[in-house]
Amino acid sequence: GDSVTQMEGPVTLSEEAFLTINCTYTATGYPSLFWYVQYPGEGLQLLLKATKADDKGSNKGFEATYRKETTSFHLEKGSVQVSDSAVYFCALVGNQGGKLIFGQGTELSVKP
Amino acid sequence: GAVVSQHPSWVICKSGTSVKIECRSLDFQATTMFWYRQFPKQSLMLMATSNEGSKATYEQGVEKDKFLINHASLTLSTLTVTSAHPEDSSFYICSARALKTGNVYGYTFGSGTRLTVV
Repeated sequence: GDSVTQMEGPVTLSEEAFLTINCTYTATGYPSLFWYVQYPGEGLQLLLKATKADDKGSNKGFEATYRKETTSFHLEKGSVQVSDSAVYFCALVGNQGGKLIFGQGTELSVKP
Repeated sequence: GAVVSQHPSWVICKSGTSVKIECRSLDFQATTMFWYRQFPKQSLMLMATSNEGSKATYEQGVEKDKFLINHASLTLSTLTVTSAHPEDSSFYICSARALKTGNVYGYTFGSGTRLTVV
């Protein structure tokens, strides 16, 4: 079945450092891809998404490009802030009844 | 934008009692609701999918008699944890799905419910 694999955390960075969180997926057909962010004790918020190959999703300085050839959707940000500290989830919606399938999550901690 | 209200945000109950968690879509009609369970420092595990007016579809390994899901209207779904035990303590999150423009689905999450069974 469909699946998502993320790089393991926690990831600890200094403020203004460059961020990359790797995400690869396995799916049949052409899934839609998402990045969600979860702050402590809260639900999930959609960060960005891409629905077809070569699409780039972007929001709040974060970007991710849908790469069909490498089945990847890596999350990047050029300069992280302390307020970006959270858990980031990569997810896809494929052909399994419209279910969102999540990666295991990557905890990001940004130090001042 | 789309908002999903989930209540309560936290609840403590005694073993053997039942707890109901509500999830409401405030400004849109959610044809499908998903219920997830999340353990500390782990990902979201899909428990079940519910469509308005029909029985929920449970994922493998989820006890349907223990986790009762009702989706009586297009704006309300409930999850009832029956005869709760300490191992049911977890963070439960709902997600509502609605069809957006361009034939793309949008998913909106509730803020979650922290259940502690003592």
